[in-house]
Amino acid sequence: EPEVTQTPSHQVTQMGQEVILRCVPISNHLYFYWYRQILGQKVEFLVSFYNNEISEKSEIFDDQFSVERPDGSNFTLKIRSTKLEDSAMYFCASSAGAATGELFFGEGSRLTVL
Amino acid sequence: AQSVTQLDSQVPVFEEAPVELRCNYSSSVSVYLFWYVQYPNQGLQLLLKYLSGSTLVKGINGFEAEFNKSQTSFHLRKPSVHISDTAEYFCAVSRTGGSYIPTFGRGTSLIVHP
Repeated sequence: EPEVTQTPSHQVTQMGQEVILRCVPISNHLYFYWYRQILGQKVEFLVSFYNNEISEKSEIFDDQFSVERPDGSNFTLKIRSTKLEDSAMYFCASSAGAATGELFFGEGSRLTVL
Repeated sequence: AQSVTQLDSQVPVFEEAPVELRCNYSSSVSVYLFWYVQYPNQGLQLLLKYLSGSTLVKGINGFEAEFNKSQTSFHLRKPSVHISDTAEYFCAVSRTGGSYIPTFGRGTSLIVHP
């Protein structure tokens, strides 16, 4: 069964460092998403991406964040200068269409900022 | 904007007992509703969804949920749980028009004891 894969599963970084989280969405999907979950809190929407551009983003997704689809398979989230409050589980998801909101998620990448 | 409240952060239950996980939503427009499940070390996967039609929705693994528009609820139920149902359960809502991006709750941890 096709699945969304994310790497790394866990990354520890120092405050101020750049981090890139990688995702390989399901191959025939067209819509890509990043969500995050700070421990004990809600799963929060960060950004959606369609047709090689951001289609929607939340207020969390400020200038420190960027997304890219560098080739036909990868979808990356970059945090330019990490802060302590960026520590969270980051989930990548993809969907075939936007109409019904059914997303397929990866296992998540846990980011710990020290 | 829409929002989701999952009233219980943790629900412990004995095997073969019934369970209900509560979800209330807030939205000024019509919505689609979802329950996702996350088993340990896995990504979120869709358990069931309400798009339209019958308010009682059946999903995988014997789960069902009922959409109650007047109470703005979408509670998840199972008449008899198994140890393997131990997981994190997320309720989500998306608008039926415009952005279909789901908004998630904080999750409810279902712990099934033998």
